Amino acid sequence: AAGVIQSPRHLIKEKRETATLKCYPIPRHDTVYWYQQGPGQDPQFLISFYEKMQSDKGSIPDRFSAQQFSDYHSELNMSSLELGDSALYFCASSPTGGSTDTQYFGPGTRLTVL
Amino acid sequence: AQTVTQSQPEMSVQEAETVTLSCTYDTSESDYYLFWYKQPPSRQMILVIRQEAYKQQNATENRFSVNFQKAAKSFSLKISDSQLGDAAMYFCAYVNYNSNSGYALNFGKGTSLLVTP
Repeated sequence: AAGVIQSPRHLIKEKRETATLKCYPIPRHDTVYWYQQGPGQDPQFLISFYEKMQSDKGSIPDRFSAQQFSDYHSELNMSSLELGDSALYFCASSPTGGSTDTQYFGPGTRLTVL
Repeated sequence: AQTVTQSQPEMSVQEAETVTLSCTYDTSESDYYLFWYKQPPSRQMILVIRQEAYKQQNATENRFSVNFQKAAKSFSLKISDSQLGDAAMYFCAYVNYNSNSGYALNFGKGTSLLVTP
Protein backbone atom coordinates (compact mmCIF):
# COMPACT_ATOMS: atom_id res chain seq x y z
CA ALA A 1 0.00 0.00 0.00
CA ALA A 2 1.14 3.52 -0.73
CA GLY A 3 2.50 5.46 2.21
CA VAL A 4 3.18 9.08 3.03
CA ILE A 5 6.24 10.38 1.20
CA GLN A 6 8.47 13.09 2.58
CA SER A 7 11.39 14.79 0.91
CA PRO A 8 14.14 15.34 1.45
CA ARG A 9 14.90 12.72 4.07
CA HIS A 10 17.88 14.63 5.39
CA LEU A 11 18.69 18.31 5.18
CA ILE A 12 21.60 20.29 6.50
CA LYS A 13 21.38 24.08 6.64
CA GLU A 14 23.27 26.97 8.15
CA LYS A 15 21.77 29.38 10.65
CA ARG A 16 19.58 32.06 9.06
CA GLU A 17 19.09 29.99 5.91
CA THR A 18 15.75 28.82 4.52
CA ALA A 19 14.45 25.27 4.18
CA THR A 20 11.49 23.73 2.39
CA LEU A 21 10.11 20.34 3.39
CA LYS A 22 7.68 18.48 1.18
CA CYS A 23 4.98 15.96 2.00
CA TYR A 24 2.95 13.78 -0.34
CA PRO A 25 -0.02 12.22 1.47
CA ILE A 26 -1.46 8.79 0.88
CA PRO A 27 -3.69 8.88 -2.24
CA ARG A 28 -7.24 10.02 -1.47
CA HIS A 29 -6.18 11.48 1.88
CA ASP A 30 -7.17 15.14 2.00
CA THR A 31 -5.82 16.07 5.42
CA VAL A 32 -2.20 16.71 6.28
CA TYR A 33 -0.60 17.32 9.66
CA TRP A 34 2.93 18.53 10.40
CA TYR A 35 4.74 17.59 13.61
CA GLN A 36 8.16 18.49 14.98
CA GLN A 37 10.11 16.02 17.12
CA GLY A 38 13.17 17.38 18.90
CA PRO A 39 15.91 15.06 20.21
CA GLY A 40 14.52 12.83 22.95
CA GLN A 41 11.12 14.51 22.73
CA ASP A 42 7.63 13.51 21.72
CA PRO A 43 6.21 14.91 18.48
CA GLN A 44 4.65 18.36 18.76
CA PHE A 45 1.89 19.53 16.44
CA LEU A 46 2.76 22.42 14.14
CA ILE A 47 -0.04 22.92 11.64
CA SER A 48 -2.67 21.05 9.65
CA PHE A 49 -4.53 21.37 6.38
CA TYR A 50 -7.87 20.05 5.22
CA GLU A 51 -8.97 20.31 1.62
CA LYS A 52 -6.15 22.75 0.81
CA MET A 53 -7.13 25.15 3.57
CA GLN A 54 -5.27 25.68 6.80
CA SER A 55 -7.20 23.86 9.44
CA ASP A 56 -5.44 24.37 12.76
CA LYS A 57 -2.20 25.71 14.19
CA GLY A 58 -0.14 24.45 17.04
CA SER A 59 3.20 25.66 18.33
CA ILE A 60 4.46 26.81 14.95
CA PRO A 61 6.93 29.74 14.97
CA ASP A 62 6.06 32.78 12.87
CA ARG A 63 9.21 32.06 10.84
CA PHE A 64 7.51 28.94 9.53
CA SER A 65 4.74 28.83 6.97
CA ALA A 66 3.02 26.02 5.13
CA GLN A 67 0.45 25.36 2.47
CA GLN A 68 -1.38 22.52 0.82
CA PHE A 69 -1.60 22.45 -2.96
CA SER A 70 -4.28 21.37 -5.41
CA ASP A 71 -2.82 17.86 -5.60
CA TYR A 72 -2.96 17.71 -1.76
CA HIS A 73 0.77 17.68 -1.27
CA SER A 74 2.01 20.08 1.38
CA GLU A 75 5.14 22.13 1.91
CA LEU A 76 6.57 23.48 5.14
CA ASN A 77 8.73 26.57 4.62
CA MET A 78 11.15 27.51 7.35
CA SER A 79 13.05 30.78 7.27
CA SER A 80 15.77 32.37 9.42
CA LEU A 81 16.70 28.94 10.70
CA GLU A 82 17.95 28.66 14.26
CA LEU A 83 19.98 25.94 15.95
CA GLY A 84 16.88 24.96 17.92
CA ASP A 85 15.04 24.11 14.70
CA SER A 86 17.18 20.98 14.36
CA ALA A 87 14.65 18.18 14.66
CA LEU A 88 12.78 15.43 12.88
CA TYR A 89 9.81 16.81 10.99
CA PHE A 90 6.95 14.44 10.36
CA CYS A 91 4.07 14.76 8.00
CA ALA A 92 0.99 12.63 8.62
CA SER A 93 -2.11 12.21 6.50
CA SER A 94 -5.63 11.01 7.15
CA PRO A 95 -8.63 10.38 4.91
CA THR A 96 -10.67 13.25 6.34
CA GLY A 97 -10.18 15.86 9.00
CA GLY A 98 -12.21 14.06 11.63
CA SER A 99 -10.99 12.48 14.84
CA THR A 100 -12.21 9.08 13.75
CA ASP A 101 -9.44 8.87 11.21
CA THR A 102 -6.06 7.43 12.03
CA GLN A 103 -3.08 9.58 11.08
CA TYR A 104 -0.44 7.78 9.06
CA PHE A 105 3.05 9.13 9.35
CA GLY A 106 5.72 9.60 6.75
CA PRO A 107 9.36 8.64 7.41
CA GLY A 108 10.23 12.16 8.47
CA THR A 109 12.76 14.76 7.35
CA ARG A 110 15.76 15.14 9.61
CA LEU A 111 16.79 18.80 9.63
CA THR A 112 20.16 19.76 11.02
CA VAL A 113 20.95 23.45 11.47
CA LEU A 114 24.65 24.27 11.88
CA ALA B 1 -5.99 20.94 27.80
CA GLN B 2 -5.58 17.24 27.48
CA THR B 3 -2.47 15.63 28.91
CA VAL B 4 -1.06 12.19 28.32
CA THR B 5 1.25 10.64 30.89
CA GLN B 6 3.54 7.69 30.41
CA SER B 7 5.11 7.04 33.79
CA GLN B 8 7.67 4.48 32.62
CA PRO B 9 10.56 6.12 30.72
CA GLU B 10 12.14 2.71 30.15
CA MET B 11 11.01 -0.90 30.29
CA SER B 12 12.79 -4.17 29.65
CA VAL B 13 11.41 -7.57 28.65
CA GLN B 14 12.90 -10.90 27.68
CA GLU B 15 12.12 -12.43 24.35
CA ALA B 16 8.87 -14.45 24.37
CA GLU B 17 7.74 -12.81 27.59
CA THR B 18 4.86 -10.35 28.10
CA VAL B 19 5.22 -6.69 28.98
CA THR B 20 2.69 -3.96 29.76
CA LEU B 21 3.28 -0.28 29.06
CA SER B 22 1.23 2.22 31.04
CA CYS B 23 -0.55 5.35 29.86
CA THR B 24 -2.96 7.66 31.63
CA TYR B 25 -4.64 10.73 30.24
CA ASP B 26 -6.63 13.62 31.49
CA THR B 27 -9.75 14.79 29.69
CA SER B 28 -13.23 16.05 30.41
CA GLU B 29 -14.52 14.72 27.10
CA SER B 30 -16.55 11.54 26.74
CA ASP B 31 -15.82 10.87 23.07
CA TYR B 32 -12.19 10.58 22.02
CA TYR B 33 -9.67 8.23 20.50
CA LEU B 34 -6.51 6.70 21.85
CA PHE B 35 -3.53 5.31 19.99
CA TRP B 36 -0.25 3.56 20.56
CA TYR B 37 2.50 4.39 18.09
CA LYS B 38 5.85 2.62 17.87
CA GLN B 39 9.05 4.43 16.91
CA PRO B 40 11.94 2.03 16.21
CA PRO B 41 15.52 3.22 15.75
CA SER B 42 14.66 4.16 12.15
CA ARG B 43 12.49 6.91 13.76
CA GLN B 44 9.48 5.96 11.61
CA MET B 45 6.19 6.43 13.53
CA ILE B 46 4.19 3.24 13.15
CA LEU B 47 0.62 2.79 14.32
CA VAL B 48 0.31 -0.16 16.68
CA ILE B 49 -3.28 -0.02 17.83
CA ARG B 50 -6.20 2.36 18.32
CA GLN B 51 -9.16 2.46 20.66
CA GLU B 52 -12.40 4.39 20.39
CA ALA B 53 -13.58 5.63 23.78
CA TYR B 54 -17.19 4.67 23.10
CA LYS B 55 -16.23 1.04 22.64
CA GLN B 56 -16.10 -1.05 25.78
CA GLN B 57 -14.27 -3.89 24.08
CA ASN B 58 -10.51 -3.64 24.28
CA ALA B 59 -8.75 -3.43 20.93
CA THR B 60 -6.45 -6.25 19.84
CA GLU B 61 -3.96 -6.51 16.99
CA ASN B 62 -2.17 -9.84 16.89
CA ARG B 63 0.30 -9.83 19.82
CA PHE B 64 -0.71 -6.33 20.88
CA SER B 65 -3.73 -5.61 23.06
CA VAL B 66 -4.89 -2.77 25.24
CA ASN B 67 -6.53 -2.53 28.63
CA PHE B 68 -8.80 0.49 28.34
CA GLN B 69 -10.26 1.69 31.63
CA LYS B 70 -12.36 4.73 30.77
CA ALA B 71 -13.35 5.65 34.30
CA ALA B 72 -9.75 5.48 35.43
CA LYS B 73 -8.56 7.22 32.23
CA SER B 74 -6.04 4.47 31.71
CA PHE B 75 -4.90 2.95 28.42
CA SER B 76 -2.16 0.34 28.80
CA LEU B 77 -0.54 -1.66 26.01
CA LYS B 78 0.24 -5.34 26.46
CA ILE B 79 2.77 -6.98 24.19
CA SER B 80 2.70 -10.77 24.27
CA ASP B 81 5.42 -13.12 23.09
CA SER B 82 7.85 -10.20 22.80
CA GLN B 83 10.23 -10.24 19.84
CA LEU B 84 13.53 -8.48 19.28
CA GLY B 85 11.83 -6.36 16.64
CA ASP B 86 9.49 -4.93 19.27
CA ALA B 87 12.36 -2.90 20.71
CA ALA B 88 11.39 0.73 20.16
CA MET B 89 10.04 3.88 21.75
CA TYR B 90 6.32 3.56 22.32
CA PHE B 91 4.13 6.65 22.38
CA CYS B 92 0.63 6.82 23.73
CA ALA B 93 -1.52 9.46 22.02
CA TYR B 94 -4.93 11.03 22.49
CA VAL B 95 -7.11 12.84 20.01
CA ASN B 96 -10.32 14.76 20.36
CA TYR B 97 -11.36 17.99 18.75
CA ASN B 98 -9.67 20.97 20.37
CA SER B 99 -10.49 24.54 19.37
CA ASN B 100 -6.80 25.38 19.12
CA SER B 101 -5.23 22.29 17.63
CA GLY B 102 -8.17 20.61 15.92
CA TYR B 103 -7.66 16.89 15.62
CA ALA B 104 -3.91 16.92 16.23
CA LEU B 105 -2.46 14.06 18.19
CA ASN B 106 -1.44 14.79 21.78
CA PHE B 107 1.46 12.50 22.68
CA GLY B 108 2.91 11.24 25.93
CA LYS B 109 6.67 11.43 26.55
CA GLY B 110 7.17 7.85 25.45
CA THR B 111 8.42 4.58 26.94
CA SER B 112 11.61 3.04 25.62
CA LEU B 113 11.24 -0.74 25.41
CA LEU B 114 14.32 -2.94 25.44
CA VAL B 115 13.95 -6.58 24.43
CA THR B 116 16.68 -8.94 25.61
CA PRO B 117 17.43 -12.36 24.13
